[in-house]
This record gives sequence, structure tokens and C-alpha cells, in this order.
Amino acid sequence: QSALTQPASVSGSPGQSITISCTGTSSDVGGYNYVSWYQQHPGKAPKVMIYDVSNRPSGVSDRFSGSKSGNTASLTISGLQAEDEADYYCSSYTSSSTYVFGTGTKVTV
Amino acid sequence: EVQLVESGGGLVKPGGSLRLSCEASGFTFSNPWMTWVRQAPGKGLEWVGRIKSKSDGGTTDYAAPVKGRFTISRDDSKNTLYLQMNSLKTEDTAVYYCTTDGHYDFSSGPGYFDLWGRGTLVTVSS
Repeated sequence: QSALTQPASVSGSPGQSITISCTGTSSDVGGYNYVSWYQQHPGKAPKVMIYDVSNRPSGVSDRFSGSKSGNTASLTISGLQAEDEADYYCSSYTSSSTYVFGTGTKVTV
Repeated sequence: EVQLVESGGGLVKPGGSLRLSCEASGFTFSNPWMTWVRQAPGKGLEWVGRIKSKSDGGTTDYAAPVKGRFTISRDDSKNTLYLQMNSLKTEDTAVYYCTTDGHYDFSSGPGYFDLWGRGTLVTVSS
């Protein structure tokens, strides 16, 4: 199972919006709505930001939103803030009853 | 406090074995499915495997790189998840995290990783 494809880096200025893509296949992203997104600060454990494509866990800012079209999922961060600077990973359930993560995207504010 | 705490990491030689533990507290451990995720130094996240709850059959699934070498088990009476790692390779060097597959109270999911531990470092080197 190959990792899902994400851009290596995305940058934006405070207040701007950015979008991170996550491209897979019909056997993972395109076939299931079990796509999730994780934020990871250096030296810390990941934190779920979006699950089931577009649902936000309790406590996560509504500046974070998710969507999916075909084999590509997207995470949008609006009103970018300094604290959003981190690594972001997508994940999807697969047809092999396993999960696969994305390659990761470093967000710079 | 709701938390997961991993232990058991350390330095092991190639071909050796190690067992990791993950102790849960603050929630009903028997409810959620549990997963191990690893992260090699400076690299991305990699899903290792999952065990379902006993009520859902307690079955396991593994990623291809560890299938046949790693075994996930759980002891609900001890609120503890295990990862038995055999025939270790240098490429297994990573921080190993345990996490719930779905919300820890099983109010949503599975399909995502909700509660995470801080991780334990496994180094495979001669």
C-alpha cells in the first residue's frame, strides 16, 4: 500500500487560507469516507483535526475544514494563525482492511 | 484523566524481539478498537496494525511490512494493549504510538485515530 500523496510544503501569511491536498486511489480515498487529518507539532503526538472527510472533533477550531472529490481529499485552514505551523497528515481506510497515511505536509505561517 | 501511556521501548539488535505496552486510563478500555502507529526519525506516520474490541471479535489486521513479525493483543482486565515485535529490522526503528481507532468512548468511528499516547522509541541497531 503506497502512501497517499501530499505536497511537501505549503505556506501562507497570517489571516490567509491554505489548502492541503491528499491524493490516493479508488481503493482508499475514493472508496471510503474514512478520511482523516492530523496535526503534529515537533516532538508531539499527532492530533486529529478532521475525521470522516469533513467532521470536526469537539474542541477543534472551525477554521479547519475538510472535503473530498473523487480520489483526492483536501484540508483547508482559514484565517491562518502562527499556532497552525506544524506538519499535517491525511489518512484513509483501504480496501485491504488497513489504513494508509499521507506523505505529510509542512505548513509554514 | 483520559490517557494512553506507552512503555517498553529501547535498544535491540537486529533479529531481536521486544514487547511494547500501552496502558489506558480514564475510559472503558474494552470499548474502542486500538491501533499502533509508528514514525521513523524525521519521517512520516505509518500505520502498523489494529485490534478490534472483544465484542467485535478481537481480530487483528497488520500493515504489509510487519505482517508475520508483529502481533497485537489486548488485556482488557489490565486496560493494556500490547505489541509483540519479533525478527526486528533496522527499518523498524521508530517512535511507536498507541491510539484508539475511533473516539475513545466509541461514540464515533472507527475510521480515525482519536486519543494518542506520547509514544515510545524503539531503536534497532547492532
